[in-house]
Amino acid sequence: AQTVTQSQPEMSVQEAETVTLSCTYDTSESNYYLFWYKQPPSRQMILVIRQEAYKQQNATENRFSVNFQKAAKSFSLKISDSQLGDTAMYFCAFMKSMGAQKLVFGQGTRLTINP
Amino acid sequence: DTGVSQNPRHKITKRGQNVTFRCDPISEHNRLYWYRQTLGQGPEFLTYFQNEAQLEKSRLLSDRFSAERPKGSFSTLEIQRTEQGDSAMYLCASSFGQGRVTNQPQHFGDGTRLSIL
Repeated sequence: AQTVTQSQPEMSVQEAETVTLSCTYDTSESNYYLFWYKQPPSRQMILVIRQEAYKQQNATENRFSVNFQKAAKSFSLKISDSQLGDTAMYFCAFMKSMGAQKLVFGQGTRLTINP
Repeated sequence: DTGVSQNPRHKITKRGQNVTFRCDPISEHNRLYWYRQTLGQGPEFLTYFQNEAQLEKSRLLSDRFSAERPKGSFSTLEIQRTEQGDSAMYLCASSFGQGRVTNQPQHFGDGTRLSIL
């Protein structure tokens, strides 16, 4: 079974700073996807960024980028030039590329961006 | 793209009652998922449909839970004889996929928050 661990329950930074959220996972699969989802207070879960395990290049979406270390089974999210609207719960998630379609989520990191 | 729609947004009921939630996925999506999220935790997978076929169910889905997707469009999740431990946010997600390959992300609805008195 796959597991996803987010070791930082809460983080807080000042607006415009850079912040990195950590995620580690455990799997015996060789092909899979990793995701970061954002869940603002009382709002729906939104996909932030996706990484395919067979791709060595780290994914980037505007101010969001990941550091994917396959051997270490690590998948961190970096948010540059943080904005007040980035305040949310952030969930790291794993999905096998074949077969079962379910997302396996970590416990989440509550990120607060302070003005 | 109207997004994934879930109804109701909130449901308050007494222990022992039955409840039913509805999910309308994004129209072109053939895959539909149900998750449960308790306060301060990440969502946990409950069940998954491809078109009208229910292809996987979690051990979390006890006999009191049943999900359907009769025409491969909307889905319902029913909980019979509700218990205090059923209090949670129930999330629906949808995606498009072909065969056994996963290559599209899941899009989530706003969820239905269930409170058991």
